[in-house]
Amino acid sequence: QQPVQSPQAVILREGEDAVINCSSSKALYSVHWYRQKHGEAPVFLMILLKGGEQKGHEKISASFNEKKQQSSLYLTASQLSYSGTYFCGTEMYYGGSQGNLIFGKGTKLSVKP
Amino acid sequence: DADVTQTPRNRITKTGKRIMLECSQTKGHDRMYWYRQDPGLGLRLIYYSFDVKDINKGEISDGYSVSRQAQAKFSLSLESAIPNQTALYFCATSVGTGGRPDTQYFGPGTRLTVL
Repeated sequence: QQPVQSPQAVILREGEDAVINCSSSKALYSVHWYRQKHGEAPVFLMILLKGGEQKGHEKISASFNEKKQQSSLYLTASQLSYSGTYFCGTEMYYGGSQGNLIFGKGTKLSVKP
Repeated sequence: DADVTQTPRNRITKTGKRIMLECSQTKGHDRMYWYRQDPGLGLRLIYYSFDVKDINKGEISDGYSVSRQAQAKFSLSLESAIPNQTALYFCATSVGTGGRPDTQYFGPGTRLTVL
């Protein structure tokens, strides 16, 4: 049931774009994105809700394809501060939510000068 | 001041010892969580609590127990530590909006080593 993230790792030059994908084999209510910098705690970026509502970050965008049970995180004009490991957390549809997330294994993003 | 604190930040212990990790929060959130992070495996939920009287097992609760002493405090215990419990442990909190997951705020983590 753990969502699958791809790629596992990506290296960018400053100013380049990146896409991180998160897919599930189960129907999803929502997808949550977090970023963790090395040696630090994960920090919330964004929630994408079924039905299209999106809550989150100013400079990072994302999509949620409910039919395909997939979400993609778009980082444009990357900055050094974007480096870190990105996790998606999925809320699966049970017909009644347990209120918990299942996190993927993460995508490590490195932005070089 | 940090909103979610964890103590200790680092701990080395021996196989068979009982150990407690503590989490405190000043955010006034009802929901609290314990996660374990291992390299390459992401964050895995150990236990969660939606209020003081509500405690539930997560994906990997075997070998762990918890106590919710108050709204602001949630402790994780390893009854008899074993080496494969060596990991980074995170506590998290969230407001709690109906039955839906919302933004989680993570503590700084406790790095536990079991020899």
